[in-house]
Amino acid sequence: DTGVSQNPRHKITKRGQNVTFRCDPISEHNRLYWYRQTLGQGPEFLTYFQNEAQLEKSRLLSDRFSAERPKGSFSTLEIQRTEQGDSAMYLCASSSEFSEAFFGQGTRLTVV
Amino acid sequence: QKEVEQDPGPLSVPEGAIVSLNCTYSNSAFQYFMWYRQYSRKGPELLMYTYSSGNKEDGRFTAQVDKSSKYISLFIRDSQPSDSATYLCAMTSGNQFYFGTGTSLTVIP
Repeated sequence: DTGVSQNPRHKITKRGQNVTFRCDPISEHNRLYWYRQTLGQGPEFLTYFQNEAQLEKSRLLSDRFSAERPKGSFSTLEIQRTEQGDSAMYLCASSSEFSEAFFGQGTRLTVV
Repeated sequence: QKEVEQDPGPLSVPEGAIVSLNCTYSNSAFQYFMWYRQYSRKGPELLMYTYSSGNKEDGRFTAQVDKSSKYISLFIRDSQPSDSATYLCAMTSGNQFYFGTGTSLTVIP
């Protein structure tokens, strides 16, 4: 296993379009997290899953954002009707319960 | 008040110096503490992971946790230009992870 994998690495989209990102966690990890990071800031929590159950969602996650983890494996994060303020690095991480989190390389979203 | 406070720097040191990076936190429920290194436009890379109070050493890196003061530190000995990056502290009580804003470090050859 080569670690957490995120696709695409970069995405440029026009305002108002929908985008979807994918995350493949480390295979034995049952927890998967989505974070958003803007320049000069630490990662901000968006949501996390334990297996296929979405256990926690941040207030930052507006109704335009939705995340899924079917069958407790890979996860997708969809942003509908993108806005310029959605431009950021979207990070995925995975962990076992009560252990450290390992991050992917992120998906950099630019909304023009 | 933010859950985790971290001085953003920037911090600039000469090669070979000892670097001290610090974070404070407010939630006494945090039990697990991590330090990540992040290069520009890359994902965070885990450096150190500690549980509860105490010290942990790994090569040139030492992590310290003082739960009574709600204070954690990362020390880098014999700093190298390749250590130039942003260092993020993170902590959790077992659910989501809370991050500091990161400290930007430059090691000058």
